[in-house]
Amino acid sequence: AIRMTQSPSSLSASTGDRVTITCRASQGISSYLAWYQQKPGKAPKLLIYAASTLQSGVPSRFSGSGSGTDFTLTISCLQSEDFATYYCQQYYSYPPLFTFGPGTKVDIK
Amino acid sequence: QVQLVQSGSELKKPGASVKVSCKASGYTFTSYAMNWVRQAPGQGLEWMGWINTNTGNPTYAQGFTGRFVFSLDTSVSTAYLQISSLKAEDTAVYYCAREGDYYDSSGYYLIKGFDYWGQGTLVTVSS
Repeated sequence: AIRMTQSPSSLSASTGDRVTITCRASQGISSYLAWYQQKPGKAPKLLIYAASTLQSGVPSRFSGSGSGTDFTLTISCLQSEDFATYYCQQYYSYPPLFTFGPGTKVDIK
Repeated sequence: QVQLVQSGSELKKPGASVKVSCKASGYTFTSYAMNWVRQAPGQGLEWMGWINTNTGNPTYAQGFTGRFVFSLDTSVSTAYLQISSLKAEDTAVYYCAREGDYYDSSGYYLIKGFDYWGQGTLVTVSS
């Protein structure tokens, strides 16, 4: 089974900061990676799929990169509404078997 | 607009069963697979498996075989998750999530992850 790790597990940042979260797969997954944002008490929201494609309606300050085993989610200029937990998810195999990373909590410094 | 509306919170005793519903609207129900995701209190997201909404064929992730059953009623565009022999460790929020798709620049049909989610159903197991 493919395992996903994320770093850091949490970070503190200020509004306006540039934030980078890393996700690593235990084996190559090409670009079959998605990123989600989850706020407390709410369902997750799809931000990015195919490692770097922005989901419709997601602000352009969010970006994704990477392929193979190493991926990055970047928030270029952190806004107050971006304080949340972020999860990566792989969907490499077919029929799809999905695995989430453990999450990265972004909170206010 | 696409919506997934789940049934309300449940409080169950150990050993009981629970059935969570997920009613879809705003799209053709049988055109997209439906997934289920568990989130224990204060924990991360755990993929439970998916159900093919065309055939009704379910696939269960490791750790979700035996007591967990996915089913459908396509006549009302609704997916169901049933959990039997409930244990305290089943206490969690359960989400249904639609598996989105798209065509890439080469015309290949690809999955994009889970593009729409239900609001979640809290199942609490306590004596």
